[in-house]
Amino acid sequence: KQEVTQIPAALSVPEGENLVLNCSFTDSAIYNLQWFRQDPGKGLTSLLLIQSSQREQTSGRLNASLDKSSGRSTLYIAASQPGDSATYLCAVPSSGANNLFFGTGTRLTVIP
Amino acid sequence: DGGITQSPKYLFRKEGQNVTLSCEQNLNHDAMYWYRQDPGQGLRLIYYSQIVNDFQKGDIAEGYSVSREKKESFPLTVTSAQKNPTAFYLCASSTPGRGQPQHFGDGTRLSIL
Repeated sequence: KQEVTQIPAALSVPEGENLVLNCSFTDSAIYNLQWFRQDPGKGLTSLLLIQSSQREQTSGRLNASLDKSSGRSTLYIAASQPGDSATYLCAVPSSGANNLFFGTGTRLTVIP
Repeated sequence: DGGITQSPKYLFRKEGQNVTLSCEQNLNHDAMYWYRQDPGQGLRLIYYSQIVNDFQKGDIAEGYSVSREKKESFPLTVTSAQKNPTAFYLCASSTPGRGQPQHFGDGTRLSIL
């Protein structure tokens, strides 16, 4: 069964710093990988979806990379802002059904 | 605007009581999902439905039930058999097919009185 791990569990950085969030998965035969943002008490907002054939996907200050062979993805956030403070989750689809396997998330705090 | 609406936002359950969480979507998606989120854990799949009148158990279906009578609606009932129901419940929908992006509602927080 696919297992998804995110390290670190929590991260605090000063405003303006560039940062990297990590996601690893045990089964490299993934179809794609999705990064989500979750604000406290809220649902998930999709940030980036990177297909298995892609190496990178960019949206504004966010850049997601994918290395299937090593079972890793990173989410790079440039010039962090206090509004970036949230929990970031990565997820991969299951091999059979259409559900997602989620990591436990990284809680990011950007200090003004 | 298209989206997923979950209600209520907060729900309290008494001992021995069944409660139903509502999930409605107007995205015209065939597939819908229910996830449970506990502190320090990732989301875990409870039930999913790929089409009307069909649904499948996920990893933690015990103590829960669902129905899918309409494309737009996928209610989740937390039964008295679920001994630890306190959690944040999230509903999602997508077009069918592996790897399709899932869109999430704002969740329902269920607590025990």
